[in-house]
Amino acid sequence: DAGVIQSPRHEVTEMGQEVTLRCKPISGHDYLFWYRQTMMRGLELLIYFNNNVPIDDSGMPEDRFSAKMPNASFSTLKIQPSEPRDSAVYFCASSLNRYEQFFGPGTRLTVL
Amino acid sequence: GQNIDQPTEMTATEGAIVQINCTYQTSGFNGLFWYQQHAGEAPTFLSYNVLDGLEEKGRFSSFLSRSKGYSYLLLKELQMKDSASYLCASNTNAGKSTFGDGTTLTVKP
Repeated sequence: DAGVIQSPRHEVTEMGQEVTLRCKPISGHDYLFWYRQTMMRGLELLIYFNNNVPIDDSGMPEDRFSAKMPNASFSTLKIQPSEPRDSAVYFCASSLNRYEQFFGPGTRLTVL
Repeated sequence: GQNIDQPTEMTATEGAIVQINCTYQTSGFNGLFWYQQHAGEAPTFLSYNVLDGLEEKGRFSSFLSRSKGYSYLLLKELQMKDSASYLCASNTNAGKSTFGDGTTLTVKP
């Protein structure tokens, strides 16, 4: 298996632009997680899905952030409009049982 | 609320044993994660403890005391490649994880 796939690996955009991050979980995994990591705030859980349904989105910072999982093999995290403070590494992870999570390589987002 | 505390940095010698402690205060606590993260890479799952006691996986072991809100990660026979950040995270019954800031371990020859 290729593991969790994320795209793009790097994204540089200007403040106010829409950003869409993509994730393909490991086939057969029922849980999908989106995380954000910064030096200041560490690793934070943003949202997680079970069987394509959002279960807990209390970590989503504000209305500018939204996440979808239209099917078992694809999820997106969208930021609209983006701001410089959104600059971070965004990780997607998937899991069979919610516990042993497998992380993707991450998307490094820079908002100028 | 959730509060996770772990040391910022530790240094140890190759071949030695090191213990990384983590304390937590978590409402609705279910279990505790340990992850390893090398610089510039994604976290890698090490363990998830739900019950009290020690769980061993090769050179790595993880301990949990629910009554004390305390866990530790024990690394034996340290190797240079063990130099990394080790993240402790509490998990609630609702599936929400809160991470500590990580402990940067440096293994020296």
